[in-house]
Amino acid sequence: GAGVSQSPRYKVAKRGQDVALRCDPISGHVSLFWYQQALGQGPEFLTYFQNEAQLDKSGLPSDRFFAERPEGSVSTLKIQRTQQEDSAVYLCASSPKSGLLNTGELFFGEGSRLTVL
Amino acid sequence: GNSVTQMEGPVTLSEEAFLTINCTYTATGYPSLFWYVQYPGEGLQLLLKATKADDKGSNKGFEATYRKETTSFHLEKGSVQVSDSAVYFCALSDSGGSNYKLTFGKGTLLTVNP
Repeated sequence: GAGVSQSPRYKVAKRGQDVALRCDPISGHVSLFWYQQALGQGPEFLTYFQNEAQLDKSGLPSDRFFAERPEGSVSTLKIQRTQQEDSAVYLCASSPKSGLLNTGELFFGEGSRLTVL
Repeated sequence: GNSVTQMEGPVTLSEEAFLTINCTYTATGYPSLFWYVQYPGEGLQLLLKATKADDKGSNKGFEATYRKETTSFHLEKGSVQVSDSAVYFCALSDSGGSNYKLTFGKGTLLTVNP
């Protein structure tokens, strides 16, 4: 389809394992965002890419979290040495606009649900 | 920092009932305000937005007015349908250089019964 695609949809990891979550944004969208949604909470901002440049990573909760978008399209969110508190739905969103033209109109994927045992 | 508070759910209504979901915010500057909706099995999608005080956003019969004096952006619909059953999120964007960053409320689950 033409929407934002995320994989895997569900991931169960043992504490201490590394995980990688993939996001395929809408083709041609310049901006890409990652959000974390804990159970019963709203999404919380993690990081923002404009093309391949990571312009804001202020929301990443620790240095175990790393995101990349090397060619300005597909993005990967990697979590090293997972902890139970990392259990959440990880949402990817994209936008055709960049920088200050971003006006909050984001296109979200369905999310990747991570459960850390 | 910025924050959004929306009414606790779940909300259960009968078809054709009037809907209000309250949303208030705390922010510096002049944020834009949004309602996003998440239908079962789908990603969040923008329902409506307002970018300045007294603006009214509207879409699919839903409306919300940006009230700066009460820092509110309540969502209303005059007659809900079963297909409106979803989770509704109020959100705001930072003002200034990080306006790409959204702050969301916790969401309100709406169930509409036939």
